[in-house]
Amino acid sequence: GENVEQHPSTLSVQEGDSAVIKCTYSDSASNYFPWYKQELGKGPQLIIDIRSNVGEKKDQRIAVTLNKTAKHFSLHITETQPEDSAVYFCAASRSGANSKLTFGKGITLSVRP
Amino acid sequence: KAGVTQTPRYLIKTRGQQVTLSCSPISGHRSVSWYQQTPGQGLQFLFEYFSETQRNKGNFPGRFSGRQFSNSRSEMNVSTLELGDSALYLCASRTSGGAAPYEQYFGPGTRLTVT
Repeated sequence: GENVEQHPSTLSVQEGDSAVIKCTYSDSASNYFPWYKQELGKGPQLIIDIRSNVGEKKDQRIAVTLNKTAKHFSLHITETQPEDSAVYFCAASRSGANSKLTFGKGITLSVRP
Repeated sequence: KAGVTQTPRYLIKTRGQQVTLSCSPISGHRSVSWYQQTPGQGLQFLFEYFSETQRNKGNFPGRFSGRQFSNSRSEMNVSTLELGDSALYLCASRTSGGAAPYEQYFGPGTRLTVT
């Protein structure tokens, strides 16, 4: 089955700096890669996703890049703000009605004011 | 559109008891998945229901079961609770999945504590 790993497990950045979170996956048939943000006491929130037919996707301060050859994808957050502090999860999935998301273990991002 | 709702939000049970958790998906979403979240294991997939049928299952013992009703609401049951079942149980819904990758939306979770 699919195995998703996130690096690093914790990340601390200064407000205004950029943050990059990387994930690797094992199943070459995976073609959907979402990122979730989980704040304390809340469920994970879908913040951006990418499908295997594109290499990069942007949404304001966040972007995701995908390298299918190397089987890794990354979340980029620019101009970080204290409210970006949260746990971020990456996930991967194949297509198909019976497919399921496999999640990484999450990374805790701290943005220092 | 209202999001995924889960009830109750917090629950304390004793070892050996059973528990039922409820999830109401986003209106129009016919698929409901359940996950267990713990600090050590992250998000672990339990099962997925679509049109009242379980169509995918994770690697959990038979003590964990679920069902889905005709209005797409879902319940999850854990019997003979163990201390290790203490976790945040998350429900997520999506439209149907079909043949394309899907976008899945999570509820706030039910925090279960087993003493």
